[in-house]
Amino acid sequence: LAKTTQPISMDSYEGQEVNITCSHNNIATNDYITWYQQFPSQGPRFIIQGYKTKVTNEVASLFIPADRKSSTLSLPRVSLSDTAVYYCLVGGLGGSYIPTFGRGTSLIVHP
Amino acid sequence: KAGVTQTPRYLIKTRGQQVTLSCSPISGHRSVSWYQQTPGQGLQFLFEYFSETQRNKGNFPGRFSGRQFSNSRSEMNVSTLELGDSALYLCASSFSKNTEAFFGQGTRLTVV
Repeated sequence: LAKTTQPISMDSYEGQEVNITCSHNNIATNDYITWYQQFPSQGPRFIIQGYKTKVTNEVASLFIPADRKSSTLSLPRVSLSDTAVYYCLVGGLGGSYIPTFGRGTSLIVHP
Repeated sequence: KAGVTQTPRYLIKTRGQQVTLSCSPISGHRSVSWYQQTPGQGLQFLFEYFSETQRNKGNFPGRFSGRQFSNSRSEMNVSTLELGDSALYLCASSFSKNTEAFFGQGTRLTVV
């Protein structure tokens, strides 16, 4: 069961780049790394998923080192609307395992 | 395309009653997972269904059960409700293993 560790909270300012790191020391060979964003009283929203190296989409980048024991979600030029809780999930959803969300990182973006 | 739909959005029940929550996944998605979210415990996995079969189950008592129909719609049932069952119940659907999962808005259950 891959456990994840993230910072509890982070603060940033509009226009800055934000990097949130997640530790997952016992990640399994066939595990993917997925990041979700959640606003209050809403369901989590998929941001990005990767297996190794770097993945980029229109909203974020995901950096995964060679040992895959950690991953970093990078949000370029954040805005106030990026204030949310960000979860790192190892393994993905579906399949014969128990998905474990950590407590997430509460990101607050200030004007 | 339509997203994951959960009904009802809000529910108030009395201790000891039972409740059934519904989840309609995105068309074509065969995997449906259920989660409980509380301020104290965070997001906890309840169970996952794929093609009408429960594929995995989290660490919850037997009062929590679910099922999936042939059209992939899923229901979750909680019997003998306890105050501690008050939570946001979330459903997520995905096409298959390790693919992007989409969550519904959730059902806010309050047990009084």
